[in-house]
Amino acid sequence: QPVVTQEPSFSVSPGGTVTLTCGLSSGAVSRSNAPNWYQQTPGQAPRTLIHNTNIRSSGVPNRFSGSIVGNKAALTITGAQADDESDYYCALTVPGDFSVFGGGTKLTVL
Amino acid sequence: QVQLQESGPGLVQPSGTLSLTCSVSGVSVETVDWWSWVRQSPGKGLEWIGEAHHSGLTNYIPSLKSRVTVSVDKSKNQVFLKLRSVTAADTAVYFCARDAGANPAYWGRGALVIVSS
Repeated sequence: QPVVTQEPSFSVSPGGTVTLTCGLSSGAVSRSNAPNWYQQTPGQAPRTLIHNTNIRSSGVPNRFSGSIVGNKAALTITGAQADDESDYYCALTVPGDFSVFGGGTKLTVL
Repeated sequence: QVQLQESGPGLVQPSGTLSLTCSVSGVSVETVDWWSWVRQSPGKGLEWIGEAHHSGLTNYIPSLKSRVTVSVDKSKNQVFLKLRSVTAADTAVYFCARDAGANPAYWGRGALVIVSS
């Protein structure tokens, strides 16, 4: 099955901007893969930030945005805050109509 | 407000069957949405298991397809997961989720299942 790739770790300064990416081993990511983005802190269920590439979930601050950049899905955090320090996962729907999660990105805000 | 609550045995014997129930409130499972199960092994990332639609349609990840069944009970407004022939590698927190678009979006809190004798 296809592999979904994410940066293992990333760091950003408070107030800074960071873009996390989500790639697909079998080719380019497009809107048809319906990328979702999730934030997860230890011991908690994932929180959905973005679905269908760029639709922000209810209650999610507008500093989180989703897009397609080049051949990958992207999650951009603008004006990072200390409590954005979390694990971030993406999920893609792939041919065969099943979903695959990326391995996650551990984001540090320092 | 939509709520999802997973329930089931927290301990399953090796080679046995893991069975979990997701009780849905605030919305009917007879929507256009799909209902997914996702798991997370201790210290690891998220793994999508499979999904079901109230019409009976299902999709599964290939690596688990031979062992898993996801189903929806409209009368009880519940979603079920059955995973057969479990091993210690199936020890995980199991999440029920309602899809948005084509991927999980609205989550339950999760249920820890340990496979051990």
